[in-house]
This record gives sequence, C-alpha cells and structure tokens, in this order.
Amino acid sequence: GDSVTQMEGPVTLSEEAFLTINCTYTATGYPSLFWYVQYPGEGLQLLLKATKADDKGSNKGFEATYRKETTSFHLEKGSVQVSDSAVYFCALAGGTSYGKLTFGQGTILTVHP
Amino acid sequence: DADVTQTPRNRITKTGKRIMLECSQTKGHDRMYWYRQDPGLGLQLIYYSFDVKDINKGEISDGYSVSRQAQAKFSLSLESAIPNQTALYFCATVGLAGEAKNIQYFGAGTRLSVL
Repeated sequence: GDSVTQMEGPVTLSEEAFLTINCTYTATGYPSLFWYVQYPGEGLQLLLKATKADDKGSNKGFEATYRKETTSFHLEKGSVQVSDSAVYFCALAGGTSYGKLTFGQGTILTVHP
Repeated sequence: DADVTQTPRNRITKTGKRIMLECSQTKGHDRMYWYRQDPGLGLQLIYYSFDVKDINKGEISDGYSVSRQAQAKFSLSLESAIPNQTALYFCATVGLAGEAKNIQYFGAGTRLSVL
C-alpha cells in the first residue's frame, strides 16, 4: 500500500537558519503530494501541494519539488522564523488511496531567536 | 466561523463510558474523515464517508463507530471508552474538484482523555 516516510525529529534551529525536512513516499500510480502544518493547539492546515512530477509547491517562503525519480518531496525554507515552530506532515493522495490521505509521522520544528 | 467545527474541544471521561464526538462542516463537501493523532505516530484514519450512505472503515476502526447524519455532519462514537483511546481526534473534509482537489480541511481537534 501507500506509505510516507519523514525524517526523524525533533528539529531545532536558530532564527534565519536554512531548513530541510526530508520526505519520501511509496505509491502506485501518480499521487498528489502535500505538506501540512500544525501550529500548537490547532488542526492541520495545508502548507503547499504538488500534483505531478517536477511541480514545485510554494507558500510562505517554503518550497517542495515533486521528484518522481527519487520518490521524494523534501520541504525547504531559506530562512526560518520563530513563528515557523510547528509540526510538519508530509502526505500523499491518489495512487491506491481513493482520495484518502496517507500521512507521514510528522516532524516537530522548534526555532529559537 | 470555522469551515469544520468539532465539539467538544476537550473531554475527560472514565473507562467504560460511551462518548460521542461531533463534527460539522460548511464546505459543502461530500467526503468526511475521522483521524486519531498520537505523539510520534502522525495521523491514523479511523473511518471515512464518501456520502451519507457510504461509510468505510479506516486503519484503526476497532472500538469506534460513526454516524453520518447529513452531508454536513459526521459523528464519532466510542461505545465503551478505554484508556488507550486517549488521543487527539480530528475531523476533516476533502474537496474533489479544481484547486481544492484532494485538499483536506481539518477541524481544530478534540482532546480526549480516558481515565
């Protein structure tokens, strides 16, 4: 079945540091890929998405590129802020999921001033 | 107002009690989902519904039941709560067309503690 694997956390960075959170997936067919973010005490909200190979999703300074050859969708940001502290989830839809989302385990990011 | 509303936001109950978590949405979506979140395990799918008459079990449905009362309402019940059901529960809806295709919209969650 479909699966998503994220890098182990937690990740702790200083403000203005470069961020990478790795995500790889296993799926049949052509899934859509997503990054969701969960701020403390809130539900998940969509950060960015990509629907086909080589698409780049971007939002709020975050970027991720759909790499079919490496089955990856790594999240990057050039300069993180304290307000980026949250839990980040990689997810996929499609393939054999019939519209359901398959989530990675989540990565906790803490950014210090 | 939130597009996906969950009630209650927090609940403490005792082992063996029946409890219902409610979810309502104003997105007009047919598909609705219930997830459970445990630390370090991400989100696990409990039940999902593609419309009022189509309800399906997810990965971890044992000990849970659901009711889709209307397009906008999807309730999750624990018939006899046990301590390992202590978790954060999320309801979500999904868009099927256009820019919203496959994007899930989440409620703020219900934090449940079973003593």
